[in-house]
Amino acid sequence: DTGVSQNPRHKITKRGQNVTFRCDPISEHNRLYWYRQTLGQGPEFLTYFQNEAQLEKSRLLSDRFSAERPKGSFSTLEIQRTEQGDSAMYLCASSYGVDEQYFGPGTRLTVT
Amino acid sequence: AQKVTQAQTEISVVEKEDVTLDCVYETRDTTYYLFWYKQPPSGELVFLIRRNSFDEQNEISGRYSWNFQKSTSSFNFTITASQVVDSAVYFCALSEGYSGGGADGLTFGKGTHLIIQP
Repeated sequence: DTGVSQNPRHKITKRGQNVTFRCDPISEHNRLYWYRQTLGQGPEFLTYFQNEAQLEKSRLLSDRFSAERPKGSFSTLEIQRTEQGDSAMYLCASSYGVDEQYFGPGTRLTVT
Repeated sequence: AQKVTQAQTEISVVEKEDVTLDCVYETRDTTYYLFWYKQPPSGELVFLIRRNSFDEQNEISGRYSWNFQKSTSSFNFTITASQVVDSAVYFCALSEGYSGGGADGLTFGKGTHLIIQP
């Protein structure tokens, strides 16, 4: 069990550029979650997959954000036309069914 | 709507002191789950405990203990004989419904920054 992994760990991009993050969940976990965390705040839920199906999206997930989980394994989160307000830590978590969620180390995005 | 309040923004204690982190939650559901996570300086959230709304038994795990009281909607976390390695941000979180792990995602409080001074 290698835990949840996320790549890249850090990303600096210019405003208006597109970025994509990857999350590899714990291998036997069928649920995968994306959260966003800004400085001094708790994580905020963005979206959730059960296997390959995206079942829930938060109001925080604007049209510029899209997430996929092809084949129910790894997931990608893409942000198009980044804005400075998108600067945050993007966290991925996974769980097996209704068990507790385990988090990855996060991808820190800085938009300049 | 669900909400988690951690009123203590920062707590600083001297090593070996006991410390309690408060968590108050709001939910309309009768079935829900409460969680505590630790976020050390390295940044990765570490799962500590999950408790469902039907189990009000207090739990102890080593130096950690949790007190769940539905009457006051609180789920407090106590560290006994604190150590410098306990320094971290601690988050309380809530999940509504039967999903347990949170089909709608977890709702987190803003966290309490715990500083243990040597």
